[in-house]
Amino acid sequence: EAQVTQNPRYLITVTGKKLTVTCSQNMNHEYMSWYRQDPGLGLRQIYYSMNVEVTDKGDVPEGYKVSRKEKRNFPLILESPSPNQTSLYFCASTGTSGGTDTQYFGPGTRLTVL
Amino acid sequence: QKEVEQDPGPLSVPEGAIVSLNCTYSNSAFQYFMWYRQYSRKGPELLMYTYSSGNKEDGRFTAQVDKSSKYISLFIRDSQPSDSATYLCAMDSSYKLIFGSGTRLLVRP
Repeated sequence: EAQVTQNPRYLITVTGKKLTVTCSQNMNHEYMSWYRQDPGLGLRQIYYSMNVEVTDKGDVPEGYKVSRKEKRNFPLILESPSPNQTSLYFCASTGTSGGTDTQYFGPGTRLTVL
Repeated sequence: QKEVEQDPGPLSVPEGAIVSLNCTYSNSAFQYFMWYRQYSRKGPELLMYTYSSGNKEDGRFTAQVDKSSKYISLFIRDSQPSDSATYLCAMDSSYKLIFGSGTRLLVRP
């Protein structure tokens, strides 16, 4: 089954404690991205990756890092989380289906930073 | 001003009603217009995809794009309780998607 997986699904942590949210896709897609979703603000792109070792900033990259060492994995790293990073995070990968590009989203990671 | 504006709702309708969901946008460069459906505790899933202006129909769903007015709509006919979800519009001029904030829809049995 084609899917995007994220772990953990829920995480409560404290300010300053480094964390990593993993993302993996099994569709051999080149393009992957991370979003955060906040009430009233919708989904905002944090970082994206066009391929292995190619990453770039989205709209809200401050406080986040990413890496793309393998095609299937695109982890999101918070080196020193702060309470304003409390949010719902989605990983997505983009592939072509029926002649059009389609984004496939993971199930989300709800992060709380105390 | 946000690039994409969407009424957050909630929109509550009885089962069988016709639902109209709308977004406005400011960037005339947008060419691809999408509607995503997001159930509670789930990631968004693509519902409809339209390129440029015009209508597209898929079962009970119809997507409309009016580029001259910078206005897109999603119509749901014969709405069902299973349609209760948040609907997000999204627009794309390259690989980047700009999302609306989503409209929460509740279809009452």
